[in-house]
Amino acid sequence: NAGVMQNPRHLVRRRGQEARLRCSPMKGHSHVYWYRQLPEEGLKFMVYLQKENIIDESGMPKERFSAEFPKEGPSILRIQQVVRGDSAAYFCASSPLNKQETQYFGPGTRLLVL
Amino acid sequence: SQQGEEDPQALSIQEGENATMNCSYKTSINNLQWYRQNSGRGLVHLILIRSNEREKHSGRLRVTLDTSKKSSSLLITASRAADTASYFCATPPITGANSKLTFGKGITLSVRP
Repeated sequence: NAGVMQNPRHLVRRRGQEARLRCSPMKGHSHVYWYRQLPEEGLKFMVYLQKENIIDESGMPKERFSAEFPKEGPSILRIQQVVRGDSAAYFCASSPLNKQETQYFGPGTRLLVL
Repeated sequence: SQQGEEDPQALSIQEGENATMNCSYKTSINNLQWYRQNSGRGLVHLILIRSNEREKHSGRLRVTLDTSKKSSSLLITASRAADTASYFCATPPITGANSKLTFGKGITLSVRP
């Protein structure tokens, strides 16, 4: 059973470009969470999604950030018009429907904005 | 505000010694979880302790929870160089679904061979 997969693992963007981060949850998991980790910091919750629904986006910046988890395919975290402050590691986690307590994390995408 | 705050921030020990890491939290919880993160990698779930439990073991790990003091400790016995990593405590919200975990800043553990 493959774990949570994220790609790309590393992403370099120039200011003003768009960044698309993809997350494939573990097989059978219907809940996806996105977190951001700044250097020397813990993870900060961004958004929680189920298939085709955003359940909790209380941690998402109001502008430029969006997330989706379509019926088919991976979850996407999209950052438009990136700025240097968006440079961070972005982690995706998933959990199954009947055991949401434990989240399984992917390896992360490290975004560098030049 | 920080829900989970770990201390110490950094810990360096010799292989074979025990490592004790502490976590304090502010609000009531249903459970508290500890995660490990190796450098440049994702997080690995180590152990979950529920609010009605006081102690839990998993291999070389021992976790305690004191809800009256709003604190938890993670003890790693007979440490190995491979235990070198950052360790985080995390708590889900007490109400509603376990939608998000709130993490502390983490403790950096270095185990010297």
